Amino acid sequence: DAGVIQSPRHEVTEMGQEVTLRCKPISGHNSLFWYRQTMMRGLELLIYFNNNVPIDDSGMPEDRFSAKMPNASFSTLKIQPSEPRDSAVYFCASTLTGSGAGYTFGSGTRLTVV
Amino acid sequence: AQSVTQPDIHITVSEGASLELRCNYSYGATPYLFWYVQSPGQGLQLLLKYFSGDTLVQGIKGFEAEFKRSQSSFNLRKPSVHWSDAAEYFCAVGVNRDDKIIFGKGTRLHILP
Repeated sequence: DAGVIQSPRHEVTEMGQEVTLRCKPISGHNSLFWYRQTMMRGLELLIYFNNNVPIDDSGMPEDRFSAKMPNASFSTLKIQPSEPRDSAVYFCASTLTGSGAGYTFGSGTRLTVV
Repeated sequence: AQSVTQPDIHITVSEGASLELRCNYSYGATPYLFWYVQSPGQGLQLLLKYFSGDTLVQGIKGFEAEFKRSQSSFNLRKPSVHWSDAAEYFCAVGVNRDDKIIFGKGTRLHILP
């Protein structure tokens, strides 16, 4: 299995631009999580989906952030408009609910907003 | 709400020495506990987990952790570290096995040759 695949690995954008981060979970996994990692705040859970349905989005910082999961093999996290304080590494993780196997993380997308 | 505290931001040990990384959690019921490791530029990898049963759990790469309910702790240990163990280690707590889990701020481990 190729693992959780995130794209792009790096993204540099100007303030005010729209940014879309992508995630392909492991085939067969039915829960997907988006995390943000910064030096100051550590790992923060932004949103998670179960069977493509958003379960908890209380970690989404503000309306500029949105996430979708149109099918079991694809999810996006969008920031519009982006701001310098959104600069962070964004991780996607997936798991099979009830398996007890823990999360499998992608390699992350490093976002820099200038 | 559950929370996790890793009191040590940085730990430095010599190669071959023993290691213990501390983790304390806050949760009213029996938690689900995890340790993850993150190498530079990589995602997090699961080292071990505790759900129930034996309070001493074994993980990958020679790591183990002990759940102590009375101390609300889940410390990670390794008897002899290798240079390749240099990484950041995260303790995490969950309400159940696969629901959202909350991560500590991490402990960065440095290895002296």
